[in-house]
Amino acid sequence: NAGVTQTPKFQVLKTGQSMTLQCAQDMNHNSMYWYRQDPGMGLRLIYYSASEGTTDKGEVPNGYNVSRLNKREFSLRLESAAPSQTSVYFCASSWLETGFYEQYFGPGTRLTVT
Amino acid sequence: DQQVKQNSPSLSVQEGRISILNCDYTNSMFDYFLWYKKYPAEGPTFLISISSIKDKNEDGRFTVFLNKSAKHLSLHIVPSQPGDSAVYFCAASPTGANSKLTFGKGITLSVRP
Repeated sequence: NAGVTQTPKFQVLKTGQSMTLQCAQDMNHNSMYWYRQDPGMGLRLIYYSASEGTTDKGEVPNGYNVSRLNKREFSLRLESAAPSQTSVYFCASSWLETGFYEQYFGPGTRLTVT
Repeated sequence: DQQVKQNSPSLSVQEGRISILNCDYTNSMFDYFLWYKKYPAEGPTFLISISSIKDKNEDGRFTVFLNKSAKHLSLHIVPSQPGDSAVYFCAASPTGANSKLTFGKGITLSVRP
């Protein structure tokens, strides 16, 4: 039981390049989330998927797209990376999309855009 | 507009003493509160939670207190241990569907041996 896994762990991109961050969970959770963490900013929600087949914007969605590939997998795509997207990205999952249900986080992807 | 505020960015405590981490919120619709702990290069992990129908929840060395009228909660760690050194995030959510968590900026706790 691996919990929430993310790939890659580290990535360096040049401005304008694209990439996809992968996330998978093996806990049979319905809801999945993408957050970014910047120094002094806490965790900010980028996109979430309340259930398979649905996605919705969070607090900071601009410059990102997501795909809920199936119940297990939720990917985050940067179509044209910008230096402002340099951050640590965390994927999380929970049984349901309400605050009552604990979110389990992956180890993070540290992304640098030059 | 920051709805969950952790105004002290850091706290240093002697091993064995009590650590008190504070959190304030502004949204009166919040009624479920959680604390997450994060070590460097790892994802946050759930620590303890409290519902607005309670004013205290305890789990071993960790106790969370909620003062709804003041829109304030605090996490007490007694006794503090060096392994507790981490960043602690306060998070809050309203009830109901699509109730996403709102996180504070975090507090870095250092427990000195």
